[in-house]
Amino acid sequence: EVQLVESGGGLVKPGGSLRLSCAASGFTFSGYSMNWVRQALGKGLEWVSSISRTGSNTYYADPVKGRFTISRDNAKDSLYLQMNSLRAEDTAIYYCAARSCTNGLCPFDYWGQGALVTVSS
Amino acid sequence: EIVMTQSPATLSVSPGERATLSCRASQSVSSNLAWYKQKPGQAPRLLIYGASTRATDIPARFSGSGSGTEFTLTISSLQSEDFAVYYCQQYNNWPPWTFGQGTRVEIK
Repeated sequence: EVQLVESGGGLVKPGGSLRLSCAASGFTFSGYSMNWVRQALGKGLEWVSSISRTGSNTYYADPVKGRFTISRDNAKDSLYLQMNSLRAEDTAIYYCAARSCTNGLCPFDYWGQGALVTVSS
Repeated sequence: EIVMTQSPATLSVSPGERATLSCRASQSVSSNLAWYKQKPGQAPRLLIYGASTRATDIPARFSGSGSGTEFTLTISSLQSEDFAVYYCQQYNNWPPWTFGQGTRVEIK
């Protein structure tokens, strides 16, 4: 059974940092591009960041560029999101999601249950 | 950036009836369009990809159509578990991968 389990969410003050983790199981993690997608409470889905299978290519949405860093450890079947200089508007549920293709032309096949990040003083 | 626009925002349907959801792209995305379903407190789940191909274990009452800029998700006979929010997503021009704002399907 495919599982993606996020952890590391919590309450942080504006300007603070947080690191999210996503543990994968039930599929060949190194064969999938990985992504972070967030959802503010009661709002829609917003893509945040993506990383290629080997980690050699990374992509960021404009609102988080320069503040967030995506990384992965294929030996540990894990995905990470380092979030710095957090703002109130970063408050959301953060989902990790897996894509099976290498050229970006595929949907997000698998999703985790999400980790809540709250940025508030 | 490609903007995805879904309509209507809310659709009220009786169980057993047909539901038709629309998604429009600001420029052509070919057939690189997916639909997701999200129930309250749950993660999104992939329903349709390639505009019309059902994902694994998705019932046949779900069907997708369209290409270019206009897409439709049809649920032929609504079941209780189908009342949820549905999102379309383009993956033709990236980054960013962009989602529509969602259509809520509620019980009439």
